[in-house]
Amino acid sequence: DARVTQTPRHKVTEMGQEVTMRCQPILGHNTVFWYRQTMMQGLELLAYFRNRAPLDDSGMPKDRFSAEMPDATLATLKIQPSEPRDSAVYFCASGLGGGPNTEAFFGQGTRLTVV
Amino acid sequence: GDSVTQMEGPVTLSEEAFLTINCTYTATGYPSLFWYVQYPGEGLQLLLKATKADDKGSNKGFEATYRKETTSFHLEKGSVQVSDSAVYFCARGNFNKFYFGSGTKLNVKP
Repeated sequence: DARVTQTPRHKVTEMGQEVTMRCQPILGHNTVFWYRQTMMQGLELLAYFRNRAPLDDSGMPKDRFSAEMPDATLATLKIQPSEPRDSAVYFCASGLGGGPNTEAFFGQGTRLTVV
Repeated sequence: GDSVTQMEGPVTLSEEAFLTINCTYTATGYPSLFWYVQYPGEGLQLLLKATKADDKGSNKGFEATYRKETTSFHLEKGSVQVSDSAVYFCARGNFNKFYFGSGTKLNVKP
């Protein structure tokens, strides 16, 4: 049963610490999305990759957030330094193709709490 | 700009009631439209989709029709079950991006 795997599922960290979230997309998928979900803002697209290249990261605060795909089986989202306002659930999703009909398959999310 | 607007929740229904969750969109071009469902503690799962005008997506008793003239994609189900309690997101995909509505929480009571 192919699925997107995210680690860790939960993370509690102190303000100022570095946080790294990892995502393993479905094997063969060439498109990866990072979303952030909060009660206030709903689902926000942070970044999106096609064939490991970042195509759009305009939704991501550049000063503290960075997203990479070291290889086709791993996507990372890093926050340094973390702040309480970063507390949210971060979802990774992957898809194949990237055209307008692309279906996004979501992981279970990483629930981040910054205290 | 491009956006998706959903009716605000929560929506509370009794089991076997009829469900409608409204969704309208604005977009340039001809987006594909999707409904995703999120169960507690889980990620989003695709419920149904429609890729062109007048298409009807359906799954698990849920239906939605792509209405270009009203720019709408309302979700309907004839008889809801307690197990349908979840948050429902309308989304549009267009040239590589997904944009989601704010989500509508559905509570179904026995």
